Amino acid sequence: SQTIHQWPATLVQPVGSPLSLECTVEGTSNPNLYWYRQAAGRGLQLLFYSVGIGQISSEVPQNLSASRPQDRQFILSSKKLLLSDSGFYLCAWGSRSNQPQHFGDGTRLSIL
Amino acid sequence: GIQVEQSPPDLILQEGANSTLRCNFSDSVNNLQWFHQNPWGQLINLFYIPSGTKQNGRLSATTVATERYSLLYISSSQTTDSGVYFCAVKEGAQKLVFGQGTRLTINP
Repeated sequence: SQTIHQWPATLVQPVGSPLSLECTVEGTSNPNLYWYRQAAGRGLQLLFYSVGIGQISSEVPQNLSASRPQDRQFILSSKKLLLSDSGFYLCAWGSRSNQPQHFGDGTRLSIL
Repeated sequence: GIQVEQSPPDLILQEGANSTLRCNFSDSVNNLQWFHQNPWGQLINLFYIPSGTKQNGRLSATTVATERYSLLYISSSQTTDSGVYFCAVKEGAQKLVFGQGTRLTINP
């Protein structure tokens, strides 16, 4: 069966520091991969998606970037974090556009 | 873009009660999912239901795509059902658009 892993679960970072969040999927090939962000008390917003290695689409302009160096690995990065980058970040995978998306357990990011 | 509205925003019930959560969406869709976010933040897939009716234990869901709404039914509520329930629909080929959620509290 397919599983999705995200780490770390919790992260506290100072303003201006870099960021790297990692997501990996097991048990499937060539998945579509997604990064979402959830602000406190609100629904999720799609940040990036990828349909293949090296292919990244951005949904909203922001201080973050994404990369997909391997088929089942998706990385969310920033060179300099802002206070507004705080939130709950979730990675997801899907097999085809009309199939359900499945989410990891998320990373809670606090910027001080 | 597609608008997704969920109601009610908050719901407080006693254990054993039944509930109905509603999701309205502004355009035709071919992908609709219901999720339960537990107190630890985990987003649990409940149903993938672009149309029709599905049941899983005490939970069931119905989507009437032609009328642009979906309903989630929870029967005989338990305290472990507490959390936030999200509806999400697909916009374009990739993007899931989420509603703001219904916060359900089940008191013992």
